Amino acid sequence: DAGITQSPRHKVTETGTPVTLRCHQTENHRYMYWYRQDPGHGLRLIHYSYGVKDTDKGEVSDGYSVSRSKTEDFLLTLESATSSQTSVYFCAISPGQGVGEQYFGPGTRLTVT
Amino acid sequence: SQQGEEDPQALSIQEGENATMNCSYKTSINNLQWYRQNSGRGLVHLILIRSNEREKHSGRLRVTLDTSKKSSSLLITASRAADTASYFCAAISSGSARQLTFGSGTQLTVLP
Repeated sequence: DAGITQSPRHKVTETGTPVTLRCHQTENHRYMYWYRQDPGHGLRLIHYSYGVKDTDKGEVSDGYSVSRSKTEDFLLTLESATSSQTSVYFCAISPGQGVGEQYFGPGTRLTVT
Repeated sequence: SQQGEEDPQALSIQEGENATMNCSYKTSINNLQWYRQNSGRGLVHLILIRSNEREKHSGRLRVTLDTSKKSSSLLITASRAADTASYFCAAISSGSARQLTFGSGTQLTVLP
């Protein structure tokens, strides 16, 4: 999977608790992305990063924050998880200027009870 | 909002037949990409076609792009059971945003 890992792979948490998902790459790519995938919606972009400490919002950013302190790591945080954030979360990386192909991690299945 | 919309939502064919999936998008694009997702796995990039290209081939895959109709098609020839997966089109819009917007996908089932 193109040197990209996600942790944890599965998580069950309670409403109101904070959750952090980690994406780690070994490719040294500049662009990194967080998506969520829900039935009937395809993949929707949450946040993306175009360099260390450089991030921007995607289509569904409310309730999520991100941080990128190192090239290889991109963290997604749910400050106070809600049931509507139950989803499968995918991280992706892209070489070059971010207009080319993206390489996806294996996903994290998050359940908020 | 979704940039790409696939048609059909589900497709079932026999092994050896060709499979065609269509995608429509809304705005001007830099490029359009197709991805495959096997059940429970991450997405895998298949092919990218730029806005100034009309057709592209990769192995058994053929992609066409019609910017006047804002549409693309993915043809898989001589399908195999292993091609069973969900297929997504995704577009990078023209301009400065580096965001890939996905459609909701076509579920392809290839019967042996």
